[in-house]
Amino acid sequence: AQSVTQLDSHVSVSEGTPVLLRCNYSSSYSPSLFWYVQHPNKGLQLLLKYTSAATLVKGINGFEAEFKKSETSFHLTKPSAHMSDAAEYFCVVSEYNQGGKLIFGQGTELSVKP
Amino acid sequence: GAGVSQSPSNKVTEKGKDVELRCDPISGHTALYWYRQSLGQGLEFLIYFQGNSAPDKSGLPSDRFSAERTGGSVSTLTIQRTQQEDSAVYLCASSLAPGQPEKGDYGYTFGSGTRLTVV
Repeated sequence: AQSVTQLDSHVSVSEGTPVLLRCNYSSSYSPSLFWYVQHPNKGLQLLLKYTSAATLVKGINGFEAEFKKSETSFHLTKPSAHMSDAAEYFCVVSEYNQGGKLIFGQGTELSVKP
Repeated sequence: GAGVSQSPSNKVTEKGKDVELRCDPISGHTALYWYRQSLGQGLEFLIYFQGNSAPDKSGLPSDRFSAERTGGSVSTLTIQRTQQEDSAVYLCASSLAPGQPEKGDYGYTFGSGTRLTVV
């Protein structure tokens, strides 16, 4: 069965510094992997997704993630944090043979200090 | 419709009452999913529909929870005899051809959710 572990429940960075949100997954088959963002009192927004194409995936708002099968990781990065990036981030895995069911990590809260 | 619509957006109910939550997916999306997000928690899978059938209902917490989907479209999640621990945001998502990326964009669209408060 697939699972997702987000290694940090909370990350705090200063504006203009790099962001790294860590995610490890467990999957029996070739997974699809996603990062979603949820701003306070807002709905879920897809940042980016990996579906067996290029291992380096670029998303919206300058975010990107690299699929590393050998490390079973899918860490999210951004070169320079902006105040508007403060939100909850979820790493998500899905497997084709599970009907496309999404399994969410517990989330990482990102704080951005001025 | 243009997006996934959920109603009501907010629901306050007394402990022991039954509630129905509605999800109207994007037209043509065959797959529909229900998730629950409790305070400070991630999203917990509840049930998945492919058309009108539910191949995976493994996430339903108890037999007080049930869901149905009719006409391959609207879905209703029913919680009977609500308890305070049922308080959460219930999210619905729909997708076209999940598990079949060769058929195109492997995307999901989430609704804005129903915030359920049991008092």
